[in-house]
Amino acid sequence: AAGVIQSPRHLIKEKRETATLKCYPIPRHDTVYWYQQGPGQDPQFLISFYEKMQSDKGSIPDRFSAQQFSDYHSELNMSSLELGDSALYFCASSLAGTGGDSPLHFGNGTRLTVT
Amino acid sequence: QKEVEQDPGPLSVPEGAIVSLNCTYSNSAFQYFMWYRQYSRKGPELLMYTYSSGNKEDGRFTAQVDKSSKYISLFIRDSQPSDSATYLCAMSYNNNDMRFGAGTRLTVKP
Repeated sequence: AAGVIQSPRHLIKEKRETATLKCYPIPRHDTVYWYQQGPGQDPQFLISFYEKMQSDKGSIPDRFSAQQFSDYHSELNMSSLELGDSALYFCASSLAGTGGDSPLHFGNGTRLTVT
Repeated sequence: QKEVEQDPGPLSVPEGAIVSLNCTYSNSAFQYFMWYRQYSRKGPELLMYTYSSGNKEDGRFTAQVDKSSKYISLFIRDSQPSDSATYLCAMSYNNNDMRFGAGTRLTVKP
């Protein structure tokens, strides 16, 4: 079965650079979530989109922005990168509006290293 | 205090043992309860998904939810070395805005 696809798998950037992470949800899923997972940490919710509109916002820095496109893929844009942004960034997708019978399915993440 | 508490372990058991993983939570509004398995350098993989209280069984895995005690469990029967991973509990009240436990690192020794 098709899963959540994230690209790139690895990304190395320098401080103050920008980065763009991409997420392709499971086909027919209409909701995308972004999570940040630091070393030894549980995933922290950043932001979510439903039907191309932002649906919820978590601990996402102002330097980050995201959007969901007409084909439901999503991009997380990160600017003025800081060393502390080094983490695994996961995207997850689900099918909303089904009475809760659609848990999140995660991609394998993008490992961002800021040097 | 975090909304979801999970002992990070590590937990080491011999092959064939029954494994019990647990989480407690403080928000009584949580209705959806999940267990994810995460292998190193991989995304969390959904193992079990439960709505409200009760038990759910899938092969060697059994999930239990006790909302009155705000306590959830995952049991793994006949554990295998391939079960060695980090297990994350997660919960939410509207299927969005999930809260994760810290994850328990499990090692099953042959």
